[in-house]
Amino acid sequence: NAGVTQTPKFQVLKTGQSMTLQCAQDMNHEYMSWYRQDPGMGLRLIHYSVGAGITDQGEVPNGYNVSRSTTEDFPLRLLSAAPSQTSVYFCASRASGRYEQYFGPGTRLTVT
Amino acid sequence: GENVEQHPSTLSVQEGDSAVIKCTYSDSASNYFPWYKQELGKRPQLIIDIRSNVGEKKDQRIAVTLNKTAKHFSLHITETQPEDSAVYFCAGYPDSNYQLIWGAGTKLIIKP
Repeated sequence: NAGVTQTPKFQVLKTGQSMTLQCAQDMNHEYMSWYRQDPGMGLRLIHYSVGAGITDQGEVPNGYNVSRSTTEDFPLRLLSAAPSQTSVYFCASRASGRYEQYFGPGTRLTVT
Repeated sequence: GENVEQHPSTLSVQEGDSAVIKCTYSDSASNYFPWYKQELGKRPQLIIDIRSNVGEKKDQRIAVTLNKTAKHFSLHITETQPEDSAVYFCAGYPDSNYQLIWGAGTKLIIKP
């Protein structure tokens, strides 16, 4: 199993540009989440999904959209990038009935 | 809702000494408490966890204790080694919520 994969690893955007961060898992996990981690800070939940077709907002959802058309994929869309969205983005998944979250390697995003 | 507080924010110990990181939680319904380790530039990884029906759990040099009455839990690392240097996050899982609630993190520095 590849586990949780994320692409790209690094990305530089200009203010106002849009892009999609990709996340995929091959463990058939129902629950998937997106977090952002600012330098020297903890993890903040952006959006999460409890299954295909079901998404909900986390702590810091503004400026981001998600969708979950399949169990495997959970892309995060930045609608109009802002410097405040410069951060490292982690995707995570876990199985229904289990607690442990598995994290992807992260995407380091810089918005200039 | 649940709130998880973590102390200290930075902890510096001499190599070979013990390190203790403490977390408190607010929701008495929380029933699962994991600890994650994040090395610089890497993803968070689960190192140990404890369920609410257990008071203590050990895994080699790492142990976690839980006091449900006081609503706090602690991570204990004995015989610290340079590779223990990292940021450690605690979290709580309220029974009524699909998502983990994270502490702010503790940067552990092991001095040679």
